Amino acid sequence: EPEVTQTPSHQVTQMGQEVILRCVPISNHLYFYWYRQILGQKVEFLVSFYNNEISEKSEIFDDQFSVERPDGSNFTLKIRSTKLEDSAMYFCASSEGWPDNNSPLHFGNGTRLTVT
Amino acid sequence: GENVEQHPSTLSVQEGDSAVIKCTYSDSASNYFPWYKQELGKGPQLIIDIRSNVGEKKDQRIAVTLNKTAKHFSLHITETQPEDSAVYFCAAAWVRDMRFGAGTRLTVKP
Repeated sequence: EPEVTQTPSHQVTQMGQEVILRCVPISNHLYFYWYRQILGQKVEFLVSFYNNEISEKSEIFDDQFSVERPDGSNFTLKIRSTKLEDSAMYFCASSEGWPDNNSPLHFGNGTRLTVT
Repeated sequence: GENVEQHPSTLSVQEGDSAVIKCTYSDSASNYFPWYKQELGKGPQLIIDIRSNVGEKKDQRIAVTLNKTAKHFSLHITETQPEDSAVYFCAAAWVRDMRFGAGTRLTVKP
């Protein structure tokens, strides 16, 4: 069964540094998402992306964050000037259609980001 | 925006018993409600979903019910097994994203 893959599985960075989290969505999916999960807490929406542009973003997704689809297979999340509170598990997801069109999201196994 | 509330936060049952997890949502326009299971160190995995034009859906030991009038939906797991132990999340589809409940940690004791 096709799956969403994320790299790296664990990223450790120093406060103030920039990180790029990488995702390869399922190949025939056109809608992409990033979510984050702080340890023991709920899965929080960050951003959705379609047709090479952001479709929706949450209040968490401020100017510190950016997303990009640099080629036909990768989808990246960049976090500039990382803060301690950015430490979390970041999940990439993809879907065939929009969620309100009854399309389930398929998630990767996440990247655990630790900011020291 | 959509707000999804989920209860209980933890649930412990004996193997073979049933488990029920309940969620409510705020936006009456939401029309798609998936349930995800998250095992340690992994991403959420879809286990069942229900659309707004359906009141109940069953898949082997798992069933989901939806009450659109009351804006709540529930996950029912029957004949629980130790491998059902995980964190379960409900979600509601809202416009171009999906909002999740806070999760229920289910422990099935052998």
